[in-house]
Amino acid sequence: QQQVKQSPQSLIVQKGGISIINCAYENTAFDYFPWYQQFPGKGPALLIAIRPDVSEKKEGRFTISFNKSAKQFSLHIMDSQPGDSATYFCAATYSGYSTLTFGKGTMLLVSP
Amino acid sequence: EPEVTQTPSHQVTQMGQEVILRCVPISNHLYFYWYRQILGQKVEFLVSFYNNEISEKSEIFDDQFSVERPDGSNFTLKIRSTKLEDSAMYFCASRRGVNTEAFFGQGTRLTVV
Repeated sequence: QQQVKQSPQSLIVQKGGISIINCAYENTAFDYFPWYQQFPGKGPALLIAIRPDVSEKKEGRFTISFNKSAKQFSLHIMDSQPGDSATYFCAATYSGYSTLTFGKGTMLLVSP
Repeated sequence: EPEVTQTPSHQVTQMGQEVILRCVPISNHLYFYWYRQILGQKVEFLVSFYNNEISEKSEIFDDQFSVERPDGSNFTLKIRSTKLEDSAMYFCASRRGVNTEAFFGQGTRLTVV
């Protein structure tokens, strides 16, 4: 019930391409869905987040698409750059409850 | 920019020894967390702390673990008798309010030998 399933486990994209990472959740009480970016040896850092009252949120090259009926959300990285190479985690939580449930992570490699 | 700081960055300890991992959360934050990440796996919740007490803990957080906020600025995680499987990256996080962003520290890599 508390799980967040993330795919793919790893992803290789050419520079300039689009990176897409998908997540699915089960708990319909979840109402806050952040994505975290983690570089080796560093802690996760918030990249972008969405609440289910909108179907899409865009910040620069990063877009979250949200499908409430399917209980799925995805991260799109447009014009992917080598500096985007990192591990990306989706997460979920719900209002009034502060603990994050993380997906297993996607290791993204953007080749030059 | 304020940040969560953790010390040490890397700790090597012998199995059965006690370790204390230290964190200084962002100063006006009220909610504090420990998460851990075993190499190559997902980030897992250990414990949350609010108003000087544990507000939630996972099944991982057994009697070998304890947390403390001894002086109003530090937030510590103690593992009483470390096991090999405790080897992981431990992240401290804090947030100002329950619906606000969580900020993570850079982590402490614990290696139990």
